[in-house]
Amino acid sequence: GAVVSQHPSWVICKSGTSVKIECRSLDFQATTMFWYRQFPKKSLMLMATSNEGSKATYEQGVEKDKFLINHASLTLSTLTVTSAHPEDSSFYICSARDWTLSYEQYFGPGTRLTVT
Amino acid sequence: AQSVTQPDIHITVSEGASLELRCNYSYGATPYLFWYVQSPGQGLQLLLKYFSGDTLVQGIKGFEAEFKRSQSSFNLRKPSVHWSDAAEYFCAVFGNEKLTFGTGTRLTIIP
Repeated sequence: GAVVSQHPSWVICKSGTSVKIECRSLDFQATTMFWYRQFPKKSLMLMATSNEGSKATYEQGVEKDKFLINHASLTLSTLTVTSAHPEDSSFYICSARDWTLSYEQYFGPGTRLTVT
Repeated sequence: AQSVTQPDIHITVSEGASLELRCNYSYGATPYLFWYVQSPGQGLQLLLKYFSGDTLVQGIKGFEAEFKRSQSSFNLRKPSVHWSDAAEYFCAVFGNEKLTFGTGTRLTIIP
């Protein structure tokens, strides 16, 4: 089956610094990737949708200047949390859509971000 | 806009007993429905999906789900649970080019 990886799996950073999370589709080409945020014991909240080679589409209420998303290739999307603060601490999960199966998304294992 | 409701926040089941997790959706067109499972600190694994056709769909790990259009439901079932089934379960509907998740049901298995 299709595999999506995320790196790092966990990261601790100091308040005010920026951190980048990578999402890769390992064995398929993902024309669309999605970034979710999950608070403890909560559901997944879609942050943004990124299409390869174009600007990401952010959900209402998500700060596009704080959460920078780049989808430069068909196998890689990155989420950069800029000037991170403790309230940005969360579990971030990406998913990728296989262009041959439009409605199926494959999820990465997630990245735990802790901002101190 | 679509929505998904999972009425049960937490369910406890004895090992070997049957299981049913409820899911109701709201979507104006033909829904594409999914069930995912998430173990602590992990990503989501797809259990099964419904796009069209037979309303009873089989998934991995012995799970099945039945789509009932008249009830706007897509309940997940398993005839006999195993301790390894303890996890968080999410129902989701695809519409307007995105997945919308329910709030999840936490499943606890007791010996």
